Amino acid sequence: EAGVVQSPRYKIIEKKQPVAFWCNPISGHNTLYWYRQNLGQGPELLIRYENEEAVDDSQLPKDRFSAERLKGVDSTLKIQPAELGDSAVYLCASSSSRRTGTGNTDTQYFGPGTRLTVL
Amino acid sequence: EDKVVQSPLSLVVHEGDTVTLNCSYEVTNFRSLLWYKQEKKAPTFLFMLTSSGIEKKSGRLSSILDKKELFSILNITATQTGDSAVYLCAVEDRGSTLGRLYFGRGTQLTVWP
Repeated sequence: EAGVVQSPRYKIIEKKQPVAFWCNPISGHNTLYWYRQNLGQGPELLIRYENEEAVDDSQLPKDRFSAERLKGVDSTLKIQPAELGDSAVYLCASSSSRRTGTGNTDTQYFGPGTRLTVL
Repeated sequence: EDKVVQSPLSLVVHEGDTVTLNCSYEVTNFRSLLWYKQEKKAPTFLFMLTSSGIEKKSGRLSSILDKKELFSILNITATQTGDSAVYLCAVEDRGSTLGRLYFGRGTQLTVWP
């Protein structure tokens, strides 16, 4: 079974330029997550989708970040314009969790990430 | 403030040593605690713990959760150079942010031959 696929693996841009990341989750996984991981830190959630609905985007900096998952499968995360502080690894994860009265339980599986460097 | 605190932040051992990694947490509505191994790429899943006192084991790795004292440990016996990685602990909070994982900073483990 293929894992979570992300592209590109590396991206170097100058500040103020736009950048986009793409994620294809594990087949059949309805929940998709975007995380940002700064050097020496754990991943921090940016946004979570259940199918095509963004159910948790409270930590997404909406002034410059946007995301979409139009058909409930692939997703893109965009930054426009990028700033120096956006340099990080952007991880995508997916799970087959379903929302229940007691919450989600299924394991999140991560993609290889996109390492963004903003110069 | 950090909801998940891992210690030590880094650890250097020799092959064959046994290591214990610590994770303490503080969330409003605990649901589960997860351990991941991160080499130079994606975090890979190791364990999910939901009940106190029940050890989960996979080969040389084992983990246990104490929900009263709010911590978990990850043990690795007979370490090998391939165990060198960052080990991440994450806690799921089923409160207002249903299903959100909070990660610690990780423990950087280096195993020398």
